[in-house]
Amino acid sequence: AQKVTQAQTEISVVEKEDVTLDCVYETRDTTYYLFWYKQPPSGELVFLIRRNSFDEQNEISGRYSWNFQKSTSSFNFTITASQVVDSAVYFCALSGGGTSYGKLTFGQGTILTVHP
Amino acid sequence: DTGVSQDPRHKITKRGQNVTFRCDPISEHNRLYWYRQTLGQGPEFLTYFQNEAQLEKSRLLSDRFSAERPKGSFSTLEIQRTEQGDSAMYLCASSSEDSLNTEAFFGQGTRLTVV
Repeated sequence: AQKVTQAQTEISVVEKEDVTLDCVYETRDTTYYLFWYKQPPSGELVFLIRRNSFDEQNEISGRYSWNFQKSTSSFNFTITASQVVDSAVYFCALSGGGTSYGKLTFGQGTILTVHP
Repeated sequence: DTGVSQDPRHKITKRGQNVTFRCDPISEHNRLYWYRQTLGQGPEFLTYFQNEAQLEKSRLLSDRFSAERPKGSFSTLEIQRTEQGDSAMYLCASSSEDSLNTEAFFGQGTRLTVV
């Protein structure tokens, strides 16, 4: 069975602070995919990044960066110089490969509040 | 293409009534997924289709729930004899198997309240 754990239920920071959202996953699959989604108050899940199990390169996209470590089964997400618009619920998710691809197992989510 | 569209956005129904939700995926996407999200939780997988075939159903999907995707285009999710525990946000997502496994794009969801 697959499982995703986001231990941080809520995080509160002041604008311009850096913040890291933790994600730990469990799977027996050798091929799997990890995702981060953002859910603003409007409710729609917005895709941020996808990583496959064979690509451990860290990625940076503007103020966002992701650290994938298979050795610790973690896929952490860092926002640098946070902004008020980053306030949302962030979900880490896991999918198998093949026909299971796209069937996502989500973590419980981390509520991020960025104060001005 | 305007993305994944769900209708209605909100539904309030009395316990025991039947409800039906509709999802229109991104037109070139052949995979369609339904998820349920309760307050304070992450979405939970319910079922998914590849074209018109329903490939998997979660054990969360009781006999009162049925989903269809005729002709591999839009999909409907019906809940019969609704119960208060069915109150949740129902999310639809679509993806393309052909394009090197793209990410799933989500609709804005249908929020169901059973009173």
